[in-house]
Amino acid sequence: DTAVSQTPKYLVTQMGNDKSIKCEQNLGHDTMYWYKQDSKKFLKIMFSYNNKELIINETVPNRFSPKSPDKAHLNLHINSLELGDSAVYFCASSQPGQGKKHEQFFGPGTRLTVL
Amino acid sequence: GIQVEQSPPDLILQEGANSTLRCNFSDSVNNLQWFHQNPWGQLINLFYIPSGTKQNGRLSATTVATERYSLLYISSSQTTDSGVYFCAVERVITWTGANNLFFGTGTRLTVIP
Repeated sequence: DTAVSQTPKYLVTQMGNDKSIKCEQNLGHDTMYWYKQDSKKFLKIMFSYNNKELIINETVPNRFSPKSPDKAHLNLHINSLELGDSAVYFCASSQPGQGKKHEQFFGPGTRLTVL
Repeated sequence: GIQVEQSPPDLILQEGANSTLRCNFSDSVNNLQWFHQNPWGQLINLFYIPSGTKQNGRLSATTVATERYSLLYISSSQTTDSGVYFCAVERVITWTGANNLFFGTGTRLTVIP
């Protein structure tokens, strides 16, 4: 059983297109995240969602929009794709809360290539 | 934001050698995790270690939170240990329901047979 899964694993598309990446977790966690890993391998938080509500939106262009239909799913929609959006996108989840172990678990990543 | 620095940036080892990777962070943290990103890009949880010492097989980790550093020790390295090792920290100032991780720049380890 995969704890955090993402689809697709690879996504190749043209500039200007709109695309979505899906994420699902079966860990029963309340919080999910999207991270971006750039070409230099640097990982940075994009969004945090807790119980279907956006908690933190780091400095991310509004072409990126997270959507959470339920607490087990967090999808990432990207409009008007640009060359600079090419990266690996990771979904993660955790169960935060006082007295709880905040360990985050990551999905396998989606490699997005914009041509 | 909090700064996370890892050293060395690159490391080449002969199979069977031991190594120590270091993670320094600029402020007090609530939690710290070590990850291994394998050559296929997958991020694998190694340790959840806000403080103290843990061991898992050939790997062990120590976090000294008061001195703002963590160490990852790899013994008897194998070629399958190759990849990038990341340290990531969480700093909660105001509880929001999320605990964002701030990643270091990683240590790229290559183990040669």
